[in-house]
Formats: sequence, structure tokens, C-alpha cells
Amino acid sequence: DAGVIQSPRHEVTEMGQEVTLRCKPISGHNSLFWYRQTMMRGLELLIYFNNNVPIDDSGMPEDRFSAKMPNASFSTLKIQPSEPRDSAVYFCASAFMAVVRNEQFFGPGTRLTVL
Amino acid sequence: AQSVTQLDSQVPVFEEAPVELRCNYSSSVSVYLFWYVQYPNQGLQLLLKYLSGSTLVKGINGFEAEFNKSQTSFHLRKPSVHISDTAEYFCAVSERRKVFGQGTRLTINP
Repeated sequence: DAGVIQSPRHEVTEMGQEVTLRCKPISGHNSLFWYRQTMMRGLELLIYFNNNVPIDDSGMPEDRFSAKMPNASFSTLKIQPSEPRDSAVYFCASAFMAVVRNEQFFGPGTRLTVL
Repeated sequence: AQSVTQLDSQVPVFEEAPVELRCNYSSSVSVYLFWYVQYPNQGLQLLLKYLSGSTLVKGINGFEAEFNKSQTSFHLRKPSVHISDTAEYFCAVSERRKVFGQGTRLTINP
């Protein structure tokens, strides 16, 4: 299995631009998670989906952030407009069922830099 | 509400020395506990997890952790570290959702 796939691996953009991060979960997994990692705040859960439905988006910072999962094999996290404070590494993870005892499999992350 | 505290942000040790990375949690109910490892420029990988049963849990790469309910701790240990263990280690607790600690950076000196 290829594991969780994220693209792009690196993104540099200017303040005010729209940014779209993409994720392909492991085939057969029906739960998907988006995390943000920064030095100051550590690893934060932004949103998670179960069977393509958003279950908990309480971690989404503000309305500039949105996430979609149109099908079981694809999800996007969009930031519009982007700001320098959004600079971070964004991870996507998937799991077989959003059961708390299950392991989450993480992608390699997208390093976002907003100038 | 559940929370996780990793008591050390950085732990430097010499190669082949033992190491302990400390993790304390708070929760009002039974929880599941995890340790993940993040190598440079990679995502997190599961090292080990405690769900129930024996309080001593063995994981990959020679790591083990002990669940101590009375002290609400889940410390990670390895008897002899290798240069390749250089990474960041995250403790996580799952009650209703998984919550990660701030991470402990383990650096191995030759």
C-alpha cells in the first residue's frame, strides 16, 4: 500500500492567495483527519471526517479554512485568503473507523509557507 | 476533559544509554494511550499503544511503555538507544478523540 498521499509536499505562497492542500487516504480507511503542526502550538486536530462526512470541525481556526471530502479517496483543505500565521506543516491521517483505539496513519505532510 | 503533558521538550542522551520519555495524562474515564514517533521531515508513525490488559506494552524498535493508572502516566523507555532513534516522540490519549502532547525531541550524541 502506498500509504497516505499528500500533495504538494511544499507550498510557498503570498499573503492573500488561495491555498489548496490535497490528501488521498489509505484504501479501505473510512476516517480522515487534518492536523496542523507548529512549533508554538504543537500538533492540532483541525477537522475529521467519517464516511466522507465532517464529524468535528471545532479545531478549524476560522472561516478562512474549509475542508471537503467529496469521496472516500480524496480530501482537500483550503485556506482563502492565506496569512503568514498559517505557515505550518499540515498533516493528513487516515484510520479504519474513527474508533479511538485505532491507529491513525499519517501522510508525509505539506509544509506551507505564507510570505 | 482529556489532556496530555509531556514533561520534557528535549532529551539529550548518549548512544547506547537508556532513555525515558515522560508522559502524564488526565481523563475522567478509561482511556487508550499511544506513543507515536516522527522522524525528520516525515509524518507520525505508531510506536505502541495501550488498550487494556498488561500494563507493560512493547512496541517497535525496542521501545516499551508502562501504563500506571494511579500516577496517570504512560512513560516510554528504551534500554539502549541508537543514533537512528533521533526523532520527536508524541504521547497521545484517546477518550472521545485523540489528543496529542507537545512532543519530546530525542537527540542522541555519539
